[in-house]
Amino acid sequence: NAGVTQTPKFRILKIGQSMTLQCTQDMNHNYMYWYRQDPGMGLKLIYYSVGAGITDKGEVPNGYNVSRSTTEDFPLRLELAAPSQTSVYFCASRETGRAGELFFGEGSRLTVL
Amino acid sequence: KNEVEQSPQNLTAQEGEFITINCSYSVGISALHWLQQHPGGGIVSLFMLSSGKKKHGRLIATINIQEKHSSLHITASHPRDSAVYICAPNTGNQFYFGTGTSLTVIP
Repeated sequence: NAGVTQTPKFRILKIGQSMTLQCTQDMNHNYMYWYRQDPGMGLKLIYYSVGAGITDKGEVPNGYNVSRSTTEDFPLRLELAAPSQTSVYFCASRETGRAGELFFGEGSRLTVL
Repeated sequence: KNEVEQSPQNLTAQEGEFITINCSYSVGISALHWLQQHPGGGIVSLFMLSSGKKKHGRLIATINIQEKHSSLHITASHPRDSAVYICAPNTGNQFYFGTGTSLTVIP
C-alpha cells in the first residue's frame, strides 16, 4: 500500500527555472493538499483540492500553480523559481468527512540558488 | 494572529518520564489531529479526535471541545519518542498547524 508518493525528494533549481513536484495517492481520497515547511515554522497551505477538477488557494499560493485532472494526482508547479521558495514541500491527502485521517508524503526538499 | 498555540515549544525529558504536550486553538473544528515528525523525516498521523480521549500504546490524546484545548501524553517515554509533535485542528476543508513541540528523550 503506497499511500502518498512525492517526487522528487531533493532538487536544486536556479533562479528563474520552473519545475513540477509530483504527488500521487492510491487511497481514492478526494481531499489533497500542498504545504510548505520552513525552518521553525508551522506548515503553510499552498493549495488544496476537494476533488478532481476542483482546486483552491491556501495561505501562500503566490508563485505556484496546481491542477487536479484525476483523483490520484495533484502536481504542484513552480514558475520562475525564487530563493524564497527554498523549503520542504509536503503533499497530503485525506478521506472526505469528519473521520478523515491525514496522510503525508515523505516531503520534497527544494533549494533555489 | 495564531489560531493554534502549542506548549511547550521545546521539551527535554529523561527516559521513563511522563510527557504532556498542550494545544490550544481558537477556530471551530470538526476534528483535531496530532502528528509526529522525526528529524529530517516525514510526517505521520498519531491521532484524530473529535471528542473525549484516545489511546494507542503509550500515547494518549484528549480533547475538550468547549475549552478548545487538547493534550498529548506519552507514558514511560523512550528515546525513540524524540520528535516534533504537531497539533492540527481541522475546520472542514482546511487544517491549521501549530509550530510543533520538539521533544528530546535522554537515555
